[in-house]
Amino acid sequence: DGGITQSPKYLFRKEGQNVTLSCEQNLNHDAMYWYRQDPGQGLRLIYYSQIVNDFQKGDIAEGYSVSREKKESFPLTVTSAQKNPTAFYLCASRVQGRGNQPQHFGDGTRLSIL
Amino acid sequence: AQSVAQPEDQVNVAEGNPLTVKCTYSVSGNPYLFWYVQYPNRGLQFLLKYITGDNLVKGSYGFEAEFNKSQTSFHLKKPSALVSDSALYFCAVRLREADNDMRFGAGTRLTVKP
Repeated sequence: DGGITQSPKYLFRKEGQNVTLSCEQNLNHDAMYWYRQDPGQGLRLIYYSQIVNDFQKGDIAEGYSVSREKKESFPLTVTSAQKNPTAFYLCASRVQGRGNQPQHFGDGTRLSIL
Repeated sequence: AQSVAQPEDQVNVAEGNPLTVKCTYSVSGNPYLFWYVQYPNRGLQFLLKYITGDNLVKGSYGFEAEFNKSQTSFHLKKPSALVSDSALYFCAVRLREADNDMRFGAGTRLTVKP
């Protein structure tokens, strides 16, 4: 079955450490997204990519970085500059240019500080 | 810019009773509207969407939603709630003209009691 795989499910970060969250999709979608979910705040967009080798900042990009070297993969790095990284991170994908189509989501990565 | 409001943080209903989860939106153009459900430690699952046409939209698991343009609302409904419907529900809006700008509400936690 096609879908989005996020790994790891749980991740712990030490002070001053960068960590990378993996997101892989086999849906052949061009557009991919990263969201941060905090209790009571809904989903906030970190970065999105519409095509390989291109990506744009979302509402809360500071302290995060991404790459899009392959269509299937959109990894997110949480850098040491992100001072409050504890959250649930969700990756999503969608058919680009089809605004009436829903996003498909992975099952998330929960990041905590050690 | 578009925004979404879910005025109730929590909705409690008894099993077998009808349920309503409210959503209002604010946009400057024509919206696509979506409902998603999230179970603990999982990603969001798509329930239904409004694109155009009939104001009553039917979706997965017996859920439906009514689009009301004059009241800018898109309330989620189900005639008879199940305990298994207990979850976090998100309303989302995307402008037809802004393909990658999707806004989520803060979420409503639905609890169905036996």
